[in-house]
Amino acid sequence: DAKTTQPPSMDCAEGRAANLPCNHSTISGNEYVYWYRQIHSQGPQYIIHGLKNNETNEMASLIITEDRKSSTLILPHATLRDTAVYYCIVRAPRQAGTALIFGKGTTLSVSS
Amino acid sequence: GAGVSQSPSNKVTEKGKDVELRCDPISGHTALYWYRQSLGQGLEFLIYFQGNSAPDKSGLPSDRFSAERTGGSVSTLTIQRTQQEDSAVYLCASSRGGDTDTQYFGPGTRLTVL
Repeated sequence: DAKTTQPPSMDCAEGRAANLPCNHSTISGNEYVYWYRQIHSQGPQYIIHGLKNNETNEMASLIITEDRKSSTLILPHATLRDTAVYYCIVRAPRQAGTALIFGKGTTLSVSS
Repeated sequence: GAGVSQSPSNKVTEKGKDVELRCDPISGHTALYWYRQSLGQGLEFLIYFQGNSAPDKSGLPSDRFSAERTGGSVSTLTIQRTQQEDSAVYLCASSRGGDTDTQYFGPGTRLTVL
């Protein structure tokens, strides 16, 4: 699986959009980009994933650049409850059985 | 429930005692994973089940750790003769498998060995 690089921390004002970047310059053509987050003392929470096209769900939007070497997770209206560590993971398609490997992630702090 | 559930949420035990941790995966999910997370550390993969079978047990840290899954659903992680270094949050995840194998995690069991 390709390596990812994320900033260690970011701040965001409540109600504003939080844009979390991730670099994955060695990504292969068939590798997916996943985002998870972990709120303090809770299990990791799946947010979204994508391959080439931009994706949106009820939690967030995922913007993947045309060359697929980077992506941005967007939380459109951040709330205090979005304060968490956000992990960008690149993973090849495979059948079940392979562990997710979490890096250090980005600690997002949302303040009022 | 709609998500993965784990019990107990917290467990305090004395060194040398055995503990059992339970995971109820999302209904219909054939794959089940156990991880653990020590304080301030990343996730450490322990074991994976496909149905009731565990093809890869190499992540289990010692022979004091064992896991089983019955009926393709509930899984139990057992730690025998617990040690203080076993203190961690034990996380369970489940997935449908397939190409993207999106894993959904439970809230975890916080184990403290005194």
